[in-house]
Amino acid sequence: GAVVSQHPSWVICKSGTSVKIECRSLDFQATTMFWYRQFPKQSLMLMATSNEGSKATYEQGVEKDKFLINHASLTLSTLTVTSAHPEDSSFYICSASGHSGANVLTFGAGSRLTVL
Amino acid sequence: QKEVEQDPGPLSVPEGAIVSLNCTYSNSAFQYFMWYRQYSRKGPELLMYTYSSGNKEDGRFTAQVDKSSKYISLFIRDSQPSDSATYLCAMSAWNRDDKIIFGKGTRLHILP
Repeated sequence: GAVVSQHPSWVICKSGTSVKIECRSLDFQATTMFWYRQFPKQSLMLMATSNEGSKATYEQGVEKDKFLINHASLTLSTLTVTSAHPEDSSFYICSASGHSGANVLTFGAGSRLTVL
Repeated sequence: QKEVEQDPGPLSVPEGAIVSLNCTYSNSAFQYFMWYRQYSRKGPELLMYTYSSGNKEDGRFTAQVDKSSKYISLFIRDSQPSDSATYLCAMSAWNRDDKIIFGKGTRLHILP
């Protein structure tokens, strides 16, 4: 149980375009999902907390207009990187808590974004 | 003092050896203690988690929590080259509104 699916696993786009990444909880409902960013050989950096039916909560220093998060259902959260630039190239990972009653996270496989 | 401290390594051990990975923490409110394994270019995979103190075993992996010392460990027996990865510890309080705090991860290399 507690499987999180993330798509696409990798994407290449041109500078100035927008890219959407989907995160789905496959066998449980997730009222809260989390989006992380990770640079090579660096630790996870929490970007935002995605709340079903309400606005996301962004960490300090994360531009909410650049990284749009939508959590329209209990099984789907999306992260849209708007007007992407090369400095947005990174590994983006979503997670959710699907261990009934436990404050423990399950992660998706991650999405590698390369902006040319 | 950081909430969670983890030696980044790299840690290199020969195949078949017992590996010991550790984290220390400062927040006495932490109740859940997790260990994740992350291969290069992949999302972290939950290996196991424990609640409060004690030990938990799953195959070749054993997690230990010593709340009095604020110290957690992950032991890997009969280590294999496929165990080479980055191992992250993570901790959280009981309430699901509380953030999960991650260590920076330890890079482990198992030498064939």
